[in-house]
Amino acid sequence: ELKVEQNPLFLSMQEGKNYTIYCNYSTTSDRLYWYRQDPGKSLESLFVLLSNGAVKQEGRLMASLDTKARLSTLHITAAVHDLSATYFCAVDSTSGTYKYIFGTGTRLKVLA
Amino acid sequence: EAGVAQSPRYKIIEKRQSVAFWCNPISGHATLYWYQQILGQGPKLLIQFQNNGVVDDSQLPKDRFSAERLKGVDSTLKIQPAKLEDSAVYLCASSSATWTSGDTQYFGPGTRLTVL
Repeated sequence: ELKVEQNPLFLSMQEGKNYTIYCNYSTTSDRLYWYRQDPGKSLESLFVLLSNGAVKQEGRLMASLDTKARLSTLHITAAVHDLSATYFCAVDSTSGTYKYIFGTGTRLKVLA
Repeated sequence: EAGVAQSPRYKIIEKRQSVAFWCNPISGHATLYWYQQILGQGPKLLIQFQNNGVVDDSQLPKDRFSAERLKGVDSTLKIQPAKLEDSAVYLCASSSATWTSGDTQYFGPGTRLTVL
């Protein structure tokens, strides 16, 4: 069964600090997605990582994928208040029946 | 390019009533998903369509939920009868798998359902 776990579940950090959110998954997959959800809003795609070693960066966010470790990280550099949101990773798997599973989410709050 | 459209945005019903949600995906997207998102949790897939065929409905409570995607374009999700625990946001998403985007999903604004 494909499981996707994120940690931490909650993160409160000061502006200007760096931090990393981790996404672990339980089955073979070469494709991982990061989404952002603002309170009361829908999900918005941030990054798609399609191969081992893939790295994508936009602004203060950088995502990477290690398919051997079944791990993706979302690194936040010099956090600002506007990054406060819930971040979800998602994995799809074509092993057996196709599945697309979202992680538990990390609720990030950046304090001024 | 127009995004995923959903209606209604909000719905309040009493338990045991029925309700229907509508979704129009991004033009040309073959895959359509319905998710249930309970407050504080991640989206839970209810059903996935590829064109007008069902790919996965393993988590759809089929005794009360039904969904259809006629002609492979827009879709409706119905709940009959509703229970208190159905209170959630129902998200529709669509995707068009490509080499550069994988299976990135594009989400609609959601329908917030409250069952009293």
